[in-house]
Amino acid sequence: DGGITQSPKYLFRKEGQNVTLSCEQNLNHDAMYWYRQDPGQGLRLIYYSQIVNDFQKGDIAEGYSVSREKKESFPLTVTSAQKNPTAFYLCASSPGLAGAGNEQFFGPGTRLTVL
Amino acid sequence: GESVGLHLPTLSVQEGDNSIINCAYSNSASDYFIWYKQESGKGPQFIIDIRSNMDKRQGQRVTVLLNKTVKHLSLQIAATQPGDSAVYFCAEPIPRSNDYKLSFGAGTTVTVRA
Repeated sequence: DGGITQSPKYLFRKEGQNVTLSCEQNLNHDAMYWYRQDPGQGLRLIYYSQIVNDFQKGDIAEGYSVSREKKESFPLTVTSAQKNPTAFYLCASSPGLAGAGNEQFFGPGTRLTVL
Repeated sequence: GESVGLHLPTLSVQEGDNSIINCAYSNSASDYFIWYKQESGKGPQFIIDIRSNMDKRQGQRVTVLLNKTVKHLSLQIAATQPGDSAVYFCAEPIPRSNDYKLSFGAGTTVTVRA
């Protein structure tokens, strides 16, 4: 099956710890994205990557870091510097950047809870 | 703030009736709009898109209407079913310095009554 996978589905972390969320896609898409979703709100862009070894900050990058060493993988690290990390995190990919013909396909999400 | 927004945060509809979900946007230069459906605890799923050179586009039980004059987008779902209960987002690409980002509205939660 082609698609995007995120793991784990639920993640618990103690305050002050870093944690890495996994995102893998086998769609051969160049672009990948990380979003954060809070209750009753839309998706907010954390980081995105157009190609391997390149990534750009989104609207709320503070306290997060990413890497793009392989085309199919775009892990997100939530650092202890993120003040309010409890949220639903969504990874997405698209053939190219946003625009007609470049619909984003989303993974199932990871719900992170900081205890 | 975001340039894409939805008129109503919630919509309750009787099973079998038609649903209309509205969205207002502010970027008159946007040339492409997308509707996503997100079921509880899952990632958003692409429903349908429309380019700015179109006024209407139909899919399976869904129709998207675009009114560029008033910068309004709507999603119509025919014969709403229980499986249509979800949050619906509209989205548009917003230009950044060298590329685009996809801007999402806050979403409308649709609840289907049996």
